[in-house]
Order: sequence, then C-alpha cells, then structure tokens
Amino acid sequence: NAGVIQTPRHKVTGKGQEATLWCEPISGHSAVFWYRQTIVQGLEFLTYFRNQAPIDDSGMPKERFSAQMPNQSHSTLKIQSTQPQDSAVYLCASSLVGQGYAEQFFGPGTRLTVL
Amino acid sequence: QEKVQQSPESLIVPEGAMSSLNCTFSNSASQSIWWYQQHPGKGPEALISIFSNGNKKEGRLTVYLNRASLHVSLHIRDSQPSDSAVYLCAASTSGGNYKPTFGKGTSLVVHP
Repeated sequence: NAGVIQTPRHKVTGKGQEATLWCEPISGHSAVFWYRQTIVQGLEFLTYFRNQAPIDDSGMPKERFSAQMPNQSHSTLKIQSTQPQDSAVYLCASSLVGQGYAEQFFGPGTRLTVL
Repeated sequence: QEKVQQSPESLIVPEGAMSSLNCTFSNSASQSIWWYQQHPGKGPEALISIFSNGNKKEGRLTVYLNRASLHVSLHIRDSQPSDSAVYLCAASTSGGNYKPTFGKGTSLVVHP
C-alpha cells in the first residue's frame, strides 16, 4: 500500500499562471479531502468528495479554485491565475468512509510557491 | 462554524517526561475528536481518536474528553525525542456533511 500519492511535491508558478495539483487516494477509500496548510492559518479545509461526488466545497475560494474527481483513483485541485497568497502546502487525504469516526490518511503534500 | 483551539503553541520537555497537550472545541455536538502527529515535510498521521466522554489509552498515549467543558487533552507518557513533532487536534460533527476542523497545532520538542 503506497498510501496517498500527491504530485508534484513542489511547484513554482509565476503570478497569474495556472497550477494543477494531483492526488491519488488509497484504493478502496470512498472519501477524498483537500486542505491548505500555512504557518499563519494552520490546516484549512477546502473541499471533499464522497464516492466521487462533491459534498462540501465551502472552504474553496470561489473564483479561482476548483476541484474534480473524475474517477475513484484520482482527484485534482486547480488554481487559476495564482496569486502570492496562494503559496502554501496543499494536502490531500482519503478515508475509508466520509464520516467523523474514520481515520484520515494524508499524502505528503504539494508545496506551491507563487512568485 | 466549529472552532478548535490548541494550547500551548509550543512545548519543550526532557526525555522521559510526560507531555500534556490541550484542545478546546466550540460545538458540543462534535462527534469525534482525532489527534494527528505531523513531522516536518510530511502529512499528518492519525494517532488516536475519542468519541465518548472519558478517557482512552493506547500504549504511551492517553486522551481525555470532557464534552461539558468542550475540552480534550492528549498525554504522552515517557516522551521520546522521536515524539518531537507538531500535534494537531481535529473535531468533526456527525451527519452526512462531515467536515473536520483542525486546530493550529502544538509543537512538541523532546530533548535528550
């Protein structure tokens, strides 16, 4: 079991460019979560999917962020027109079921730097 | 919206000591509390969870939950240098729309 896989591990973009982050959840897990982590804000919830369906995207900045889960083996987080304040570590997690009692398994994260 | 606060922000203890970390949450209906450990450059890793009032012990870890005071604590007995990490507390409510809220973490340093 390779765990949750995130690619790339590091990404540097110029202001205004697009960034696409990839996540491969653990096989058999029905829920996938995206978080953003910074020193100032800590770990912030962005969005989550259950059985590939979007359940809650209340943490997503509306205009430039979008997430998809086209199949059960991967999810993407896309940031359009990146801004310096988007610089953060983006973490993906999966769990067997999308409920509070279920352990979340995190990937190593993608460090996004916007110059 | 659920709020989770952790204290202290940082903690330094000698090897072999007890480490005590605190977490308060705002929603008494929170179904579950999880503690995660995060080492630099890695994603958080689940340590222990608690759902009912009272305490739960696993190895060197003990967690106490008091729903009336909206407080949960994590105690690490016989702390080791390898325990040095950031510890995150997460609370979530029950129901179909599950969304965990994390605290900002406690940075624990165990010195030899």
